[in-house]
Amino acid sequence: QSALTQPASVSGSPGQSITISCTGTSSDVGNYNLVSWYQQHPGKAPKLMIYEDTKRPSGVSNRFSGSKSGNTASLTISGLQAEDEADYYCCSYAGSNTLLFGGGTKLTVL
Amino acid sequence: QVQLQESGPGLVKPSETLSLTCTVSGYSISSYYYWGWIRQPPGKGLEWIGSIYHSGSTYYNPSLKSRVTISVDTSKNQFSLKLTYVTAADTAVYYCARGTVGTWYFDLWGRGTLVTVSS
Repeated sequence: QSALTQPASVSGSPGQSITISCTGTSSDVGNYNLVSWYQQHPGKAPKLMIYEDTKRPSGVSNRFSGSKSGNTASLTISGLQAEDEADYYCCSYAGSNTLLFGGGTKLTVL
Repeated sequence: QVQLQESGPGLVKPSETLSLTCTVSGYSISSYYYWGWIRQPPGKGLEWIGSIYHSGSTYYNPSLKSRVTISVDTSKNQFSLKLTYVTAADTAVYYCARGTVGTWYFDLWGRGTLVTVSS
């Protein structure tokens, strides 16, 4: 199993929208509707932001949305705010009761 | 309020066994959640280590499977991680986390604990 592929970094200005991609294969991302996204601020534990490709947990801002096309999942953050600056990780079910994380993307709010 | 707290030695010698415990408070560990371990080497990304269900079933990352054991102690409301034959590459922050049976995501995480492998 190889880690899912994410861009190392993305950036945007306050109020803008950004999208982070997460590319896997037909054995993981493309085969199940089971991609989740986590936000991690420096020195903190990850926080669940999106699950099962598009669902948002209670308490997570509706500025965060998830989507998927083929083997690539995406996390979109609209109305970018300074507090959104963090690392973001995707994660997918990879079959045989295993999970696979992406390498992570550092979001910078300019 | 459910909380998870990792505990264990912060320093382990190469070739020895890393042992960590996650204490679950505010909820019975034998109920319908599953429990997992995830690690993060300094400055790097997250890696799923494995998960254990209330039934006792365990699932491990294939790359670590030969060295990992996850177990549950329901009497103490804890679950544990053992990783054998550690090397410097196992130096990481280790997180315990909770997932709901039937799903494949973690909705609650501990704060994490740094384990350094060094002589």
